[in-house]
Amino acid sequence: SQQGEEDPQALSIQEGENATMNCSYKTSINNLQWYRQNSGRGLVHLILIRSNEREKHSGRLRVTLDTSKKSSSLLITASRAADTASYFCATDGGSYIPTFGRGTSLIVHP
Amino acid sequence: EAQVTQNPRYLITVTGKKLTVTCSQNMNHEYMSWYRQDPGLGLRQIYYSMNVEVTDKGDVPEGYKVSRKEKRNFPLILESPSPNQTSLYFCASRSGERRNEQFFGPGTRLTVL
Repeated sequence: SQQGEEDPQALSIQEGENATMNCSYKTSINNLQWYRQNSGRGLVHLILIRSNEREKHSGRLRVTLDTSKKSSSLLITASRAADTASYFCATDGGSYIPTFGRGTSLIVHP
Repeated sequence: EAQVTQNPRYLITVTGKKLTVTCSQNMNHEYMSWYRQDPGLGLRQIYYSMNVEVTDKGDVPEGYKVSRKEKRNFPLILESPSPNQTSLYFCASRSGERRNEQFFGPGTRLTVL
């Protein structure tokens, strides 16, 4: 089954800095979604970008999608300590249920 | 409040003792799925269901069963749990539109001794 792979596995930054994490996938997709997970809790949907879109914004989040490279990036601007969490990309290709990568663990130091 | 609920939230059991983790959603969603999350492996899909009485295997279905007799419920059954099924389990649901987000339950932390 296809799966998104996030990079880096872990990221540690200072409050106020920008955080960028990337996702690569293997086969063509209908859409790609980013989720956030606070430690030990369920995932919360952040943003969805369709295969015909190249960039999308939501508050301090900016997502890009490059279907030719089969990759996406999530940028969190002006990070806050409360952004500390794991971030997952999920791809929705031929199946009806998205499949997830292993996630990027983000730590934002106050 | 729209939500996905799971019970129990925490469970410690012994090898071979059958257990069921319940999942219920109040959003009238067609699609439901179960994932397990393990360190270094991310979320892996166990089973999914596209509607009542329609279920299919995900990536790691061995040792698990599911049923979808009602639209709102999607229980996960471990007939004979083993220690390698110790994990954090999540149920999720989504409406019929494929571009829609999944809503996740709070998770069930299972330990099999």
